[in-house]
Amino acid sequence: QSALTQPPSASGSPGQSVTISCTGTSSDIGGYNYVSWYQQHPGKAPKLIIHKVNERPSGVPDRFSGSKSGNTASLTVSGLQTEDETDYYCSSFAGSNIWVFGGGTKLTVL
Amino acid sequence: QVQLVESGGGVVQSGGALRLSCAASGFSLSSSGMHWVRQAPGEGLEWVTFIQFNGNDKEYADSVKGRFTISRDDSKSTVYLQMNSLTVEDTALYYCVRDGGNYDFDFWGQGTLVTVSS
Repeated sequence: QSALTQPPSASGSPGQSVTISCTGTSSDIGGYNYVSWYQQHPGKAPKLIIHKVNERPSGVPDRFSGSKSGNTASLTVSGLQTEDETDYYCSSFAGSNIWVFGGGTKLTVL
Repeated sequence: QVQLVESGGGVVQSGGALRLSCAASGFSLSSSGMHWVRQAPGEGLEWVTFIQFNGNDKEYADSVKGRFTISRDDSKSTVYLQMNSLTVEDTALYYCVRDGGNYDFDFWGQGTLVTVSS
């Protein structure tokens, strides 16, 4: 049950796109199409923004998109807005009703 | 609307125990798997434990296995987390989270803070 690897920080200018990576193993990300992403504003509970690798729950702007290649998943935020500046976490199902999170990425909108 | 309200957090000495509760409303708890996820101060999220919708399967992170026990009482719409042999490393905000049915976490409570002192 090792944590997924995310870069500690990422940044972009308003209107630009930024991609956050999330690297695991063949036992989690590589083995299942059950990667999800969460947005967490300071002092708030996390919010689900992507599930099943690339699907957006109802109400999530289409500026948020997800993908996966091998053992690495990615979250892309397009058309960056100031309100996107916060923390993002990836998670993957790892089999046998076990889950694992990434360490989180702080996104800065310059 | 969906609501998850955690309670039971507090300050406890190392080696002590606490029981957290999560009161669910606005959805059918008996149809939902439930998780506890924790977040140490200034740190990231850590999945702690899961209980299947019917209570038949329970799984735990290695860091809490043998010390924590998840349970549910659907008649009271409540999920519990019994935490024994607490250490300072267990200090965190503990979130009760609904399983979204897609191996994800679709709704989170606001959390209850557990502080373990040495």
